[in-house]
Amino acid sequence: SAVISQKPSRDICQRGTSLTIQCQVDSQVTMMFWYRQQPGQSLTLIATANQGSEATYESGFVIDKFPISRPNLTFSTLTVSNMSPEDSSIYLCSVEELGGGGRSYNEQFFGPGTRLTVL
Amino acid sequence: QQPVQSPQAVILREGEDAVINCSSSKALYSVHWYRQKHGEAPVFLMILLKGGEQKGHEKISASFNEKKQQSSLYLTASQLSYSGTYFCGTVDFNQGGKLIFGQGTELSVKP
Repeated sequence: SAVISQKPSRDICQRGTSLTIQCQVDSQVTMMFWYRQQPGQSLTLIATANQGSEATYESGFVIDKFPISRPNLTFSTLTVSNMSPEDSSIYLCSVEELGGGGRSYNEQFFGPGTRLTVL
Repeated sequence: QQPVQSPQAVILREGEDAVINCSSSKALYSVHWYRQKHGEAPVFLMILLKGGEQKGHEKISASFNEKKQQSSLYLTASQLSYSGTYFCGTVDFNQGGKLIFGQGTELSVKP
């Protein structure tokens, strides 16, 4: 399976500032996603990062607050803008590996996450 | 729409069995199961596809009832390492491959 790394692994930020999270994959992947996991909660999809075009955002998430870049098939960034304490969460990058080698289904794997605390 | 998992939490003794259920209000293409340990990323366990294809993992198996739009995860002879939060993720035909996760089931295995 693909190896996914994220930077930073954690950060403590002040209200009103912005943080950019990087996601690097060791192989080319078609689909990359960004999720948020608030403390003790499930995973919520923020957006699909599309290579060469604007990200596709889920209901409740907007580009001005969570701008996303995907310059190539192995890298994406998520920025959390104008942060408030409500943005304190774990942010996870995820990639989808296409089926192949006799496997007809796609599998989705997660990076280690970025733990963000906003004061 | 988020799938519903049950139970919300379960406590087992080592060697006991458990079943975690996941149900959706929508017709599903696939169901994915993940386990997340505290402070770590979710780890892929299993996928079940419409039509029956699946992948197993250790002593963990699963079923997928397409008509009832339900999936169940079976953990047999549980080990301490099985402790964690289990999430089902569903893909329906209108989601374009996006995974929508249930609220999670916290499993604790005691010695």
